[in-house]
Amino acid sequence: GESVGLHLPTLSVQEGDNSIINCAYSNSASDYFIWYKQESGKGPQFIIDIRSNMDKRQGQRVTVLLNKTVKHLSLQIAATQPGDSAVYFCAETPTTSGTYKYIFGTGTRLKVLA
Amino acid sequence: DAGITQSPRHKVTETGTPVTLRCHQTENHRYMYWYRQDPGHGLRLIHYSYGVKDTDKGEVSDGYSVSRSKTEDFLLTLESATSSQTSVYFCAISGSGRSYNEQFFGPGTRLTVL
Repeated sequence: GESVGLHLPTLSVQEGDNSIINCAYSNSASDYFIWYKQESGKGPQFIIDIRSNMDKRQGQRVTVLLNKTVKHLSLQIAATQPGDSAVYFCAETPTTSGTYKYIFGTGTRLKVLA
Repeated sequence: DAGITQSPRHKVTETGTPVTLRCHQTENHRYMYWYRQDPGHGLRLIHYSYGVKDTDKGEVSDGYSVSRSKTEDFLLTLESATSSQTSVYFCAISGSGRSYNEQFFGPGTRLTVL
């Protein structure tokens, strides 16, 4: 499959442990954020989103935390599984601008060790 | 699956030839986007559309043109392909229903320019 990123930062996690992936966003006007998962050879897959009026949102096994003060997002994956191995990246957009243009981070590769 | 297809999925072409990539959606989303993804870079926006016949440039638009004559289809054209346009191209959609801000991606097109 395609190589998403040859020199991405890599997080290696033991199966069953929790994973935390971080993202620093760039635009202080951004008010909507998405985390994506991308497996080799596939398009990015939506995982979870959060709006700027929230600081935490939970999904199934995933939690996103937003710290607007330092422009930081994190994705927490509980009980990491082999199927979670992928590249994860965040996206931001200022929805109030009306352009719906998204800015993407370069991503973090998650490796799950058996 | 958000009902996005891209064609072709793979293409090899020679420098100087025109190439057109097609994105087709069945979800009636208002916004459509073309990105390229290269090792070491996040997804970079080439062009996007905010309605039929309404398009705008992204950050890496040089050498590319787009057209959107109907809601379902967004075409990306490389008028005269160059080796620097070898990349994986992703189409995305957003702007429909309850998930208005969520952006969904197609499976990608791998383009090689020799």
